[in-house]
Amino acid sequence: DGGITQSPKYLFRKEGQNVTLSCEQNLNHDAMYWYRQDPGQGLRLIYYSQIVNDFQKGDIAEGYSVSREKKESFPLTVTSAQKNPTAFYLCASSIAAGNEQFFGPGTRLTVL
Amino acid sequence: GQQLNQSPQSMFIQEGEDVSMNCTSSSIFNTWLWYKQEPGEGPVLLIALYKAGELTSNGRLTAQFGITRKDSFLNISASIPSDVGIYFCAGQLGHGGSQGNLIFGKGTKLSVKP
Repeated sequence: DGGITQSPKYLFRKEGQNVTLSCEQNLNHDAMYWYRQDPGQGLRLIYYSQIVNDFQKGDIAEGYSVSREKKESFPLTVTSAQKNPTAFYLCASSIAAGNEQFFGPGTRLTVL
Repeated sequence: GQQLNQSPQSMFIQEGEDVSMNCTSSSIFNTWLWYKQEPGEGPVLLIALYKAGELTSNGRLTAQFGITRKDSFLNISASIPSDVGIYFCAGQLGHGGSQGNLIFGKGTKLSVKP
């Protein structure tokens, strides 16, 4: 059953702690993306990776880090440097950069 | 950065009504996509448009890629309660590098009339 999985669905962390959000896809897609969504807002791009072992900053990369060591995995770390980390985080993938993107179910992060 | 203007911001539907929403930009886009998002879930791709003037249907949904390549609209005919959700337009400026990244509108929230 092909798709994109994100875990966990809900995540709570104390202020000042780093937290890593998981994103896995078994669609054999080359490109993967991380977005942040705030209430009433569109999606804003955090980081993207067009191919394994390569990634680029998006529009709001400050306070976040990623890695792309495997084609199927693109974890996002929300660091303590991110000033307002509470948000809904969405991972997406596409067969190649510039093709339609397909989204995972999202992780809602709440920092207390 | 680039922005898409999506309107209306919200609307209320009564079952059976037709619904229309649109997105405009000051930039020329290579591709237009329409997604639907339900509460607490990821967006689901509804329709993808690749050529200026293209009109594409998916069931009761019809979307068009504007002739100027700066706009797109989505129509939903004979709405039903399960149409409620947030509809997002997204555009791509090109295919290579950052040009292939999606730029999203802020969404149109569809709710059912009380």
